[in-house]
Amino acid sequence: QSVLTQPPSVSGAPGQRVTISCTGSNSNIAAGYDVHWYQQLPGTAPKLLIYGNFNRPSGVPGRFSGSRSGATASLAITGLQAEDEADYYCQSYDRSPNGHYVFGTGTKVSVL
Amino acid sequence: QMQLQLWGAGLLKPSETLSLTCAVSGGSFGGYYWSWVRQAPGKGLEYIGDIKYSGSANYNPSLKSRVTISIDTSNQQFSLKLTSVTAADTAVYFCPRQVPSPTGLPYLDYWGQGALVTVSS
Repeated sequence: QSVLTQPPSVSGAPGQRVTISCTGSNSNIAAGYDVHWYQQLPGTAPKLLIYGNFNRPSGVPGRFSGSRSGATASLAITGLQAEDEADYYCQSYDRSPNGHYVFGTGTKVSVL
Repeated sequence: QMQLQLWGAGLLKPSETLSLTCAVSGGSFGGYYWSWVRQAPGKGLEYIGDIKYSGSANYNPSLKSRVTISIDTSNQQFSLKLTSVTAADTAVYFCPRQVPSPTGLPYLDYWGQGALVTVSS
């Protein structure tokens, strides 16, 4: 199982704000490694949403934002829209026992 | 626009070797790491490994004993081999590009469509 834990699902009404947590440990997020976020729409490949904890690639709407504190990173969607219904994954690096990239367990966002 | 075209056998029997190749076009091949990620049906993403243009590869420790990633720079493609497959290796396999990040940890930008590989007797 993944060393980065996300809630299995979150939901909200259109226009609401939802947040997704990504909880790690001293060997990954708390060690200072960046966290990236990906959005996966049904039946498609993941798409980069946030890189380097807070940064949005060109073309990603401003309603998506990233933050981090200690061993936890978070993705917020402000002003939830129907097209935001998707799976979301965090990604970071884990240095033990042999360093490698890791993904979070994934969170399904549902728009009510 | 960068394209990642993935091909290989889609149906394998247990104990066989999975072999996939990803061809890169429409963008620069050198200067990047090229990765393999898989996703079992209804499950999350799993990082398999990556390879640098120079040929230096890194592997997920959980798969390292069975995985080999190679690169063919002249044809702008890279490949994945996974030996002794079981039903647990059934997944959609992706071959994303890994981009150096100005903030530190590289991230995956172009992913391509992915390919389903099924292991079944």
